[in-house]
Amino acid sequence: QVQLVQSGAEVKKPGASVKVSCKASGYTFTSYTIHWVRQAPGQRLEWMGWINGGNDNTKYSQNFQGRVTITRDTSASTAYMDLSSLRSEDTAVYYCARQGFSGSYSDWGQGTLVTVSS
Amino acid sequence: EIVLTQSPGTLSLSPGERATLSCRASQSVSSSYLAWYQQRPGQAPRLLIYGASSRATGIPDRFSGSGSGTDFTLTISRLEPEDFAVYYCQQYGSSPPTFGQGTRLEI
Repeated sequence: QVQLVQSGAEVKKPGASVKVSCKASGYTFTSYTIHWVRQAPGQRLEWMGWINGGNDNTKYSQNFQGRVTITRDTSASTAYMDLSSLRSEDTAVYYCARQGFSGSYSDWGQGTLVTVSS
Repeated sequence: EIVLTQSPGTLSLSPGERATLSCRASQSVSSSYLAWYQQRPGQAPRLLIYGASSRATGIPDRFSGSGSGTDFTLTISRLEPEDFAVYYCQQYGSSPPTFGQGTRLEI
C-alpha cells in the first residue's frame, strides 16, 4: 500500500532553516507529483508547492517569497521541503501529499511539527 | 487566487442524523476540480471526494458530494460516531490550489 513517511519534529530558532523529508513507498515514485501543505495552529491548510517525481519540475506558492525549496532523490524515493529564514509564524504541521490521477491529494504523510521559537 | 468559504463553521448533530456542509468559491472552479477531506484530531487529512462528486477508494457510500461552478455540498447521509471531525474543501483546478477554512462536525 502507498505510504508517505515524514521525518520527525523539529525545533528551530528564528532565522534558521528546516528541511523535512517525505519517504515514499508502495508505488513508482517517478510517476507522481508530491505536494507540500502546512497547517498552522487553528488555521486552514495552506499549499506550499509541488515537485514532479519524474522530471524534477517544481512550482511554489508566492506566499513564501522564495523561502521554500522542494527537491527529490529518486534513488531514495524521497521528497524534501526546505524552508529558510524561519519566523514564529512558520510554526505549523507540515504535510507531504501524493497527487492522484484525479489531481486531488490521495495519500498524505503523517505530518511533521516544526516549532520556531527563540 | 480562488477563495473558498465553508459554512457553517461548526455543525452540531447526533449519530444517525444527516449532515450537509457547504463550500462556496469566489470564482468558478475549473472542471469541478473540487475535493473534500476529513481530518480527525492529530491525524493527516483523508481524501473523501474528488471531482466534486466521486468517492475516493474505500470511502463509505454515506458520503456524497455535489455541485458545480461556485457552490458545492458534502452530504453525510447517516452520521456514524467516527464521522465527527473537521471537513475541508479544496479546489485544485486553478493555481494556487486553495482550501476552505473547515467545518467542524461535533456531537
